[in-house]
Amino acid sequence: KQEVTQIPAALSVPEGENLVLNCSFTDSAIYNLQWFRQDPGKGLTSLLLIQSSQREQTSGRLNASLDKSSGRSTLYIAASQPGDSATYLCAGNRAAGNKLTFGGGTRVLVKP
Amino acid sequence: NAGVTQTPKFQVLKTGQSMTLQCAQDMNHNSMYWYRQDPGMGLRLIYYSASEGTTDKGEVPNGYNVSRLNKREFSLRLESAAPSQTSVYFCASSEAGTGGSGANVLTFGAGSRLTVL
Repeated sequence: KQEVTQIPAALSVPEGENLVLNCSFTDSAIYNLQWFRQDPGKGLTSLLLIQSSQREQTSGRLNASLDKSSGRSTLYIAASQPGDSATYLCAGNRAAGNKLTFGGGTRVLVKP
Repeated sequence: NAGVTQTPKFQVLKTGQSMTLQCAQDMNHNSMYWYRQDPGMGLRLIYYSASEGTTDKGEVPNGYNVSRLNKREFSLRLESAAPSQTSVYFCASSEAGTGGSGANVLTFGAGSRLTVL
């Protein structure tokens, strides 16, 4: 069974600092890896999807990498802003299809 | 631009009562999902529907039933609510089904907060 872990559970950084969020998974047979953002009381918004054949994806200040051999994915957010404050969740699926297994999330606070 | 719409947003039930959470998407997606989110536990898949006419169990299906009414709508029913079902429920949809390597980006609804007393 795929297990997905995100450490730390919470993170606080000053504005302008780069954010590094970690996601580890137990099954190297992961197919796709997704990163989501969740604002308090809201649903999830997809940020980046790394498909099985890819090693990283980039969107603006966000970059996500996937290393299947080590069972890790990392989300980098450059030059953090207070608007980046949210909970970030990673999720993977073991085979083609969409039965995602989620990590517990990392709650990020960017202080002005 | 509605995306995924869930109703109701909030509901309080007494133990043993039944209710149905409704979900509709307007993106012509094939697949739909129900997740629950509990503090510190991330999201867990309850049921999913890979395509119209099919449903399958996820990680935590006990105490729930689902109906894929048509391509747009996927409902979640609690027949006899229990306090352990107090949670925030999210519906999601995506283009691809369980086969192939199509993009699997999920679009989520805003959530339904359920409290069972």
